[in-house]
This record gives sequence, C-alpha cells and structure tokens, in this order.
Amino acid sequence: AQTVTQSQPEMSVQEAETVTLSCTYDTSESDYYLFWYKQPPSRQMILVIRQEAYKQQNATENRFSVNFQKAAKSFSLKISDSQLGDAAMYFCAYRETSGSRLTFGEGTQLTVNP
Amino acid sequence: GAVVSQHPSWVICKSGTSVKIECRSLDFQATTMFWYRQFPKQSLMLMATSNEGSKATYEQGVEKDKFLINHASLTLSTLTVTSAHPEDSSFYICSASPTWGAQETQYFGPGTRLLVL
Repeated sequence: AQTVTQSQPEMSVQEAETVTLSCTYDTSESDYYLFWYKQPPSRQMILVIRQEAYKQQNATENRFSVNFQKAAKSFSLKISDSQLGDAAMYFCAYRETSGSRLTFGEGTQLTVNP
Repeated sequence: GAVVSQHPSWVICKSGTSVKIECRSLDFQATTMFWYRQFPKQSLMLMATSNEGSKATYEQGVEKDKFLINHASLTLSTLTVTSAHPEDSSFYICSASPTWGAQETQYFGPGTRLLVL
C-alpha cells in the first residue's frame, strides 16, 4: 500500500524568508500524481501545487515550488518570501494514475513569524 | 474555477436524529466525489468514494448504514448521518474531481462541523 510521510510535524519561518517542507512516499508505481494542499485555520483545503511523476520538470506556482526527486521518492515544498497568510497546515498527498483516492501525509503545521 | 460548496457549514443536533450534508461542485461536473472526516490536528480520513449514478464505495470500518451517501447528479452528493451520536461529532469534508480536465485533482469544499449533543 502507498504511504506518505511528512517527518516535520511543525515548522516555523520568519516573514519574507524561505522554508522547505519535506514529504516522502512509498510506491511501486512508475506513474502517479503528487500534491501539496494547504489548510489554514478556516479548515478549507486549498490546492497549492500539483506534480505529475512522468514530468521531470519541477512544478512552480508563484512563490511555491517543489523539488521532486523520483528515485528518492521525495517531494518537498519550498515557500519563498513567506507571508503571514502562508501560516497553515500543509498536507502532502499521493494519487495513483489508475486510481482516484488520495493518500495524505500527517501534515506539517507551518507558523510564520512577523 | 473549481469551486466546491458544502451546506450547512455548522450543524448542532440532538442524539438520535439524522443530519444531511450537501456537497456541490459549482462550476464543473464531477463524476467522482469523496467524503472525508477530520479530527482536530489530524489528517483527513477517507470515508467513502461516490460515483454519479452508482453506489458509494466505503472504506473499511465505515458503517454504510450509518453514513448514507447519494450522488444523484454530476454536481451534487449528499452525506446523511443517521441516528447521530456524540461520537459522530467531527469535521466532515467533501471533495470532487472534474469529469473533464484535471481529473486527477480533488477540489475540496469548506467543510461541515457537526456537533451531536
């Protein structure tokens, strides 16, 4: 069974600085999707970024970028120029190409200090 | 785009009553919708997957007779908690995957807080 591990329960960063959240996963599949979702205090899950495993290029969305290392099964999220609004729980998620369900990690609580 | 709504956002009910939660995809059609439960400071736990026009697939340990799911159209899925008890109090979240386009992505509703007294 696929598993997703986020080894950092909590992280903090100073406003305007850069922070990297870690995520590793276990799968025997060669093609799949990876996601980062953000859950602020409102508890609304917001899609941050999406990566398709067959694409070697790392996905980027404005201040958010990923470091996708397929061989190492690692999918870290880098947040540049951190803002107070980035404070949230961040979940890494995995989805098989053939399936529909998401497998979530345990989450990383990010605090942004002014 | 890709907006999902949930109603109600907050519900308080007495033990033994039933509660219905609606999940709607507002600007896209969704063949597949998902229902999750989330406890404070924990990850999302998938309860069931529903496909339009067919019976939902429940995860192991989820009572299908207690958590009734109906996916009657490509934009609406409902979760009914039957004979609710205090242990059913939780945060329930739905998500939907587009029929066309980014089918691999789940877009989430804002969630429903259920408190059973």
